[in-house]
Amino acid sequence: GESVGLHLPTLSVQEGDNSIINCAYSNSASDYFIWYKQESGKGPQFIIDIRSNMDKRQGQRVTVLLNKTVKHLSLQIAATQPGDSAVYFCAERISGNMLTFGGGTRLMVKP
Amino acid sequence: DSGVTQTPKHLITATGQRVTLRCSPRSGDLSVYWYQQSLDQGLQFLIQYYNGEERAKGNILERFSAQQFPDLHSELNLSSLELGDSALYFCASSAERDTEAFFGQGTRLTVV
Repeated sequence: GESVGLHLPTLSVQEGDNSIINCAYSNSASDYFIWYKQESGKGPQFIIDIRSNMDKRQGQRVTVLLNKTVKHLSLQIAATQPGDSAVYFCAERISGNMLTFGGGTRLMVKP
Repeated sequence: DSGVTQTPKHLITATGQRVTLRCSPRSGDLSVYWYQQSLDQGLQFLIQYYNGEERAKGNILERFSAQQFPDLHSELNLSSLELGDSALYFCASSAERDTEAFFGQGTRLTVV
């Protein structure tokens, strides 16, 4: 079975609010994590990554937090916009350059 | 545009048939990954090639095979197709180990 993530839950937020999408991983040997955004009919698009020697990384309107103690990864989106509506996947890299993806979370932004 | 090109975009075929999906990675990327995404599901890793050699194998069926050619493009061959093989097939490429993988737009395979 998959070692990362949940089975496609849905998060509904109001436009302008902050969004937090969570992801659990089970392999303590994972040393690199990525968040992807997938819009309908498109391929996953890289958002932000973080290495296991860090616990926080910020991008433009997005922040990824890594808690290795509880094997938890989160993506925070500030001032969520309608264009942020998509499915978000976390992924971990364990070994052999293989990315393992979680089940994804669907983010719906209400205007 | 991620720089990863997949062809064809759509493919409809009958059960029992064989198809080939093609992927051209981003210029300079040596790693190619193949993923399967069934309806409303996550991405399932199938196989990875690095500079022509198989690097990692995931949940790839024996009816499926892949290869990476000297020019670094890759092909995923799906044979004896079944209805359950209908899915989006994505190719991704990356340069080095600790860099992100860039995805193509996918090939939507429909088996009827």
